[in-house]
Amino acid sequence: EDKVVQSPLSLVVHEGDTVTLNCSYEVTNFRSLLWYKQEKKAPTFLFMLTSSGIEKKSGRLSSILDKKELFSILNITATQTGDSAVYLCAVVYTNAGKSTFGDGTTLTVKP
Amino acid sequence: SQTIHQWPATLVQPVGSPLSLECTVEGTSNPNLYWYRQAAGRGLQLLFYSVGIGQISSEVPQNLSASRPQDRQFILSSKKLLLSDSGFYLCAWSGTVSSKGGGHNSNQPQHFGDGTRLSIL
Repeated sequence: EDKVVQSPLSLVVHEGDTVTLNCSYEVTNFRSLLWYKQEKKAPTFLFMLTSSGIEKKSGRLSSILDKKELFSILNITATQTGDSAVYLCAVVYTNAGKSTFGDGTTLTVKP
Repeated sequence: SQTIHQWPATLVQPVGSPLSLECTVEGTSNPNLYWYRQAAGRGLQLLFYSVGIGQISSEVPQNLSASRPQDRQFILSSKKLLLSDSGFYLCAWSGTVSSKGGGHNSNQPQHFGDGTRLSIL
């Protein structure tokens, strides 16, 4: 059975800290791994990773994929209170875009 | 630019009543469309997906059904709601490219509507 496991389930840090969120997966027919940020309603897209070892970067956020060890990490440097959210990892495993999602990591950034 | 609209934002329904949630996408054609349910503190569970008009695939046995009467319209329905149908329902779309042998290759990010919070009493 395909599964995606995120860790930690929740994390509380202070502004300025650096955090690393983890996502491991066991999926047949892997096509891509995606990270989303969910605040109150719609998850918003952060990164899509398809190749191992190539870092994707956007401002203070970065992510990398290891297809041999079947995991990805999402790093956030110099955290701000606006980074507080649930971060979801999803793995796409079919041509139609079917995805399995992890349960998310709830990040709380305190002032 | 592409936008996705989902309504209503919240809904309170009695057990046994019917349900219809609607989702429309603008600014793109022939998208793949998805319905998810999210339980509190959990990830998204895929309920249905559609690669074209009238083409619906169901992922889990359930009390719900989906329909795609138009290219950019996706509807989630139930004839009689159960207490267990409570949850947060999200509609999403992704772009497609033609693949060899037909079909719609969609290894692209999904974009989500704002969701419907459904409470069954």
